[in-house]
Amino acid sequence: EAGVVQSPRYKIIEKKQPVAFWCNPISGHNTLYWYRQNLGQGPELLIRYENEEAVDDSQLPKDRFSAERLKGVDSTLKIQPAELGDSAVYLCASSLSGDRDNYGYTFGSGTRLTVV
Amino acid sequence: GENVEQHPSTLSVQEGDSAVIKCTYSDSASNYFPWYKQELGKRPQLIIDIRSNVGEKKDQRIAVTLNKTAKHFSLHITETQPEDSAVYFCAAFNFNKFYFGSGTKLNVKP
Repeated sequence: EAGVVQSPRYKIIEKKQPVAFWCNPISGHNTLYWYRQNLGQGPELLIRYENEEAVDDSQLPKDRFSAERLKGVDSTLKIQPAELGDSAVYLCASSLSGDRDNYGYTFGSGTRLTVV
Repeated sequence: GENVEQHPSTLSVQEGDSAVIKCTYSDSASNYFPWYKQELGKRPQLIIDIRSNVGEKKDQRIAVTLNKTAKHFSLHITETQPEDSAVYFCAAFNFNKFYFGSGTKLNVKP
């Protein structure tokens, strides 16, 4: 099993440019998460999908961030325009989960974004 | 919402000694508590987890304890080795959300 696959692994862009990240979750996992991890800190949730529905996007800065999970499988996270403070590692995770339990929660390798 | 606090932020031990990292949580509804190890530039990797109906779990040199009454759980690493050096994160799972601690940087000196 390939695990959670993310691309690209690294991205360097100039501020005000757009950027997109892609995530392919583990096959059969209904829940998909996008996290942002700043240097020296724990992951912070940006958005959570149950199948194709975004059920928790309260932490997503909606003025510049957007996400989609068409067909309830792959997902993309976009930033437009990027700001210097967006430099971080963006982690995707997936699991087979219900309201009260969680199985197989796995992180992808992440995309390290540097905005210059 | 849930609030997870993790201590210490850095921990330095001599090879062969034990290391203990502690986390507290605030919401008694949290029912699953994983620990992750993250090496520099790599993804967080699950090393051990515990569910709220269990008080202790052990896997070779790693153990986790959970005190539901006090709302705290701890990671114990015995006979530490240099390859244990990494950042460790605790987390609490609560109604489909994971809440992460701020991490502990463990340095095992040879």
